[in-house]
Amino acid sequence: AQRVTQPEKLLSVFKGAPVELKCNYSYSGSPELFWYVQYSRQRLQLLLRHISRESIKGFTADLNKGETSFHLKKPFAQEEDSAMYYCALVTIAGKSTFGDGTTLTVKP
Amino acid sequence: ETGVTQSPTHLIKTRGQQVTLRCSSQSGHNTVSWYQQALGQGPQFIFQYYREEENGRGNFPPRFSGLQFPNYSSELNVNALELDDSALYLCASSQVPRNTDTQYFGPGTRLTVL
Repeated sequence: AQRVTQPEKLLSVFKGAPVELKCNYSYSGSPELFWYVQYSRQRLQLLLRHISRESIKGFTADLNKGETSFHLKKPFAQEEDSAMYYCALVTIAGKSTFGDGTTLTVKP
Repeated sequence: ETGVTQSPTHLIKTRGQQVTLRCSSQSGHNTVSWYQQALGQGPQFIFQYYREEENGRGNFPPRFSGLQFPNYSSELNVNALELDDSALYLCASSQVPRNTDTQYFGPGTRLTVL
């Protein structure tokens, strides 16, 4: 069975500092990986997906199949990045598995 | 374009009762997935509906069942409620049940079982 692990429940950085939110996965097939974000009092929404290879709000994520990781990175954190971040894996059958999330706090 | 809506916002039930939660998909979407999110955890996949048929299921017992209607709205039914069923229930819609497709989430229904 597939599994997604986000080892840090809480992560705190200062504004302007680099930030990396870790995501590790286990899955025997070829996964599709996503990062979702939930800002305060808002619904869960897509941040980015690995297949698009895009940068959203300055965030990027690279799929490392050797290390089975999909870490989310941003070189210079902003206060508005404070939110809950979830890593999710979707199997070829369309079944989604989410990690338990990391709460990011960016301090001024 | 309207977003995903869910009703009710929250409700309280007692153990052993039955509950029905409702979800309206985003316009143009024919796939709905349901998730259970316990406090402090990520969403857990319950099942997915595509064109009114169940299209995949997570590790939830049969007392969790669903329906999808011709207008692609959906219901989640839970029978014989247990205390551990207390959680936030999320639905998400997508255009197709393709693993690369973006899911759009509703605001959730908070269920409390006493």
